[in-house]
Amino acid sequence: EPEVTQTPSHQVTQMGQEVILRCVPISNHLYFYWYRQILGQKVEFLVSFYNNEISEKSEIFDDQFSVERPDGSNFTLKIRSTKLEDSAMYFCASSELPGNYGYTFGSGTRLTVV
Amino acid sequence: SQKIEQNSEALNIQEGKTATLTCNYTNYSPAYLQWYRQDPGRGPVFLLLIRENEKEKRKERLKVTFDTTLKQSLFHITASQPADSATYLCALEHDYKLSFGAGTTVTVRA
Repeated sequence: EPEVTQTPSHQVTQMGQEVILRCVPISNHLYFYWYRQILGQKVEFLVSFYNNEISEKSEIFDDQFSVERPDGSNFTLKIRSTKLEDSAMYFCASSELPGNYGYTFGSGTRLTVV
Repeated sequence: SQKIEQNSEALNIQEGKTATLTCNYTNYSPAYLQWYRQDPGRGPVFLLLIRENEKEKRKERLKVTFDTTLKQSLFHITASQPADSATYLCALEHDYKLSFGAGTTVTVRA
C-alpha cells in the first residue's frame, strides 16, 4: 500500500536554529498538508498546499513557517527560528480529491527544541 | 467558537463487546466527517468517511452514523478485540482541511 514518507523520524535542535522537515507524499495525490501534535494534545492543522501554492493556513503557521515543493516528489516544512514551544510531532499528509477519500498521514517527525 | 468534542477521553471494554464513541461539533457545517485511528507515536490512520447526506457507513466491524441535525457522529466497533486498543479521532472536513477532536482512547481487555 502506498505510504507517505517523512524524514527524519527524530530531530533535536537548538532554540533559534532553522529546521527543515521533509516528506514524500503519495505520487498521485494532489493535496498536501502539515499537521502537528504537541505531546498529549490533539492533532492541529498547520497548512494545506495545492497546485504549488498554499490554499489554507492556520494561526499557528506564522512568518516563521514556510512550505515548499521543490521538485515533483518532495514537500518540505521549514521553521526559520525554532522556539521551545515548537517541540511537537509534525505529520505530513496527502490526499486525492478531498471529500471522496481519507488523508494518508506519514509516521511523523518528532521535533525537540532545546 | 468552533468545537469538536469527543465525549470520553477513555473507554475500557471487555473483548467481544461493542465500543461506542461519540463526536459532537458546534459551529461547523462539514460536508464530510472522518474517523481515524492513532497508535502511540504514530500518525493517524484513515478508517471511514461519511458524507452529510449519508446516515450510516460500515466497514467490516466498524460502523459510523452521522446526524447533521444533532451535529453528532457515533462510531461503533463491534466484536471488539485487544488489537482494537488505540485512540480514535473524529475529524471534520471543511475548507479543504481536517479539524480533529481530541480523541477517545479505547482499551479492550482480553
